[in-house]
Amino acid sequence: EAQVTQNPRYLITVTGKKLTVTCSQNMNHEYMSWYRQDPGLGLRQIYYSMNVEVTDKGDVPEGYKVSRKEKRNFPLILESPSPNQTSLYFCASSPFGEDGYTFGSGTRLTVV
Amino acid sequence: AQSVTQPDIHITVSEGASLELRCNYSYGATPYLFWYVQSPGQGLQLLLKYFSGDTLVQGIKGFEAEFKRSQSSFNLRKPSVHWSDAAEYFCAVGGTGGYQKVTFGTGTKLQVIP
Repeated sequence: EAQVTQNPRYLITVTGKKLTVTCSQNMNHEYMSWYRQDPGLGLRQIYYSMNVEVTDKGDVPEGYKVSRKEKRNFPLILESPSPNQTSLYFCASSPFGEDGYTFGSGTRLTVV
Repeated sequence: AQSVTQPDIHITVSEGASLELRCNYSYGATPYLFWYVQSPGQGLQLLLKYFSGDTLVQGIKGFEAEFKRSQSSFNLRKPSVHWSDAAEYFCAVGGTGGYQKVTFGTGTKLQVIP
């Protein structure tokens, strides 16, 4: 089944403890992206990647890192999480610009 | 900078009634435009998309949207709403040329009453 897989689905962590949210797609898509969703703010793009080793900042990149070493994987790294990063995170992939994104099921992160 | 405005935060319609969700975008060139739906506790699903050609596009689940360049709008419509359409709907705009900065609106939550 064609899909975008995120792990974990739920995560509670403490301030300052480094964490990684994994994202993998099995559709051989070129483009991948991370979004965070907050009530009243919709989805805001954190980072996106156009190919292996090619990434760029979205609208809210502060406090996040990404890497794209393989085409299928696009992990999101929070090196020192803070409570304002408590959010619902979505990974998405797309074969090309006009095709739209396929989204993962989301990761609900709570930073205490 | 590109942006999307969804002026209606919440809309309530009766089952069987028609639906129109508004979306206005700002983008300097020819945009990609999308509508997504998010059911409670779920990820987002693509309903339809527009890049070029016919300005009235058909999507899944009986939805359609019309691109109006003069009004910078891309409104979503459905002739007859079903209770299962209750969800949150997001309009999004993306750039051309493989540029993947896709900007979403803040969403419209649809409630369907019997």
